[in-house]
Amino acid sequence: DVKVTQSSRYLVKRTGEKVFLECVQDMDHENMFWYRQDPGLGLRLIYFSYDVKMKEKGDIPEGYSVSREKKERFSLILESASTNQTSMYLCASSLDGGDEKLFFGSGTQLSVL
Amino acid sequence: AQSVTQPDIHITVSEGASLELRCNYSYGATPYLFWYVQSPGQGLQLLLKYFSGDTLVQGIKGFEAEFKRSQSSFNLRKPSVHWSDAAEYFCAVEPLYGGSQGNLIFGKGTKLSVKP
Repeated sequence: DVKVTQSSRYLVKRTGEKVFLECVQDMDHENMFWYRQDPGLGLRLIYFSYDVKMKEKGDIPEGYSVSREKKERFSLILESASTNQTSMYLCASSLDGGDEKLFFGSGTQLSVL
Repeated sequence: AQSVTQPDIHITVSEGASLELRCNYSYGATPYLFWYVQSPGQGLQLLLKYFSGDTLVQGIKGFEAEFKRSQSSFNLRKPSVHWSDAAEYFCAVEPLYGGSQGNLIFGKGTKLSVKP
């Protein structure tokens, strides 16, 4: 069965810390995505990647960076966490030319204190 | 810019009653259209999608959706709701620039509660 795994379900960090959110997919998908989900705002795209070492900004990239050194892993980095980055973070992947279906991880609830 | 509107933030229906969740999109051409469901504490799961052809699409869990070009709508329906359908539902659109890679624009979601 298809699987997208996010390394942490809950994470608590302090303001100014560098935070890494990890996502791994086992489906050999080319495309990977990071969204944040906030009540009343739905899902907003932060960054996505079409291939290893490639990245594209989404709608809200400010304060974030990403890394994709291997096809199966897509990391979201908060260089200096701030309280307004407290949110649910969802990773997703899709197959190129594979009917656009997104497969989602279960999410990481990040609290920045 | 493309946008997706889900006018209802929260809907409550009785178990066994019919359901319709509304979704309108703003886009110059007919985009790809999706409905996803998110159960509490879970990621999103695809219910159904529309690319072209028959405007009534069937999905999983007994859901269906109808694409109406004239109304720029893609409403989700279910004839008889079950308590396990309580979840948040997201409508999404795929912008068709730059090729198709699953980069979706999501609505803000409609939370469904089911009364026994």
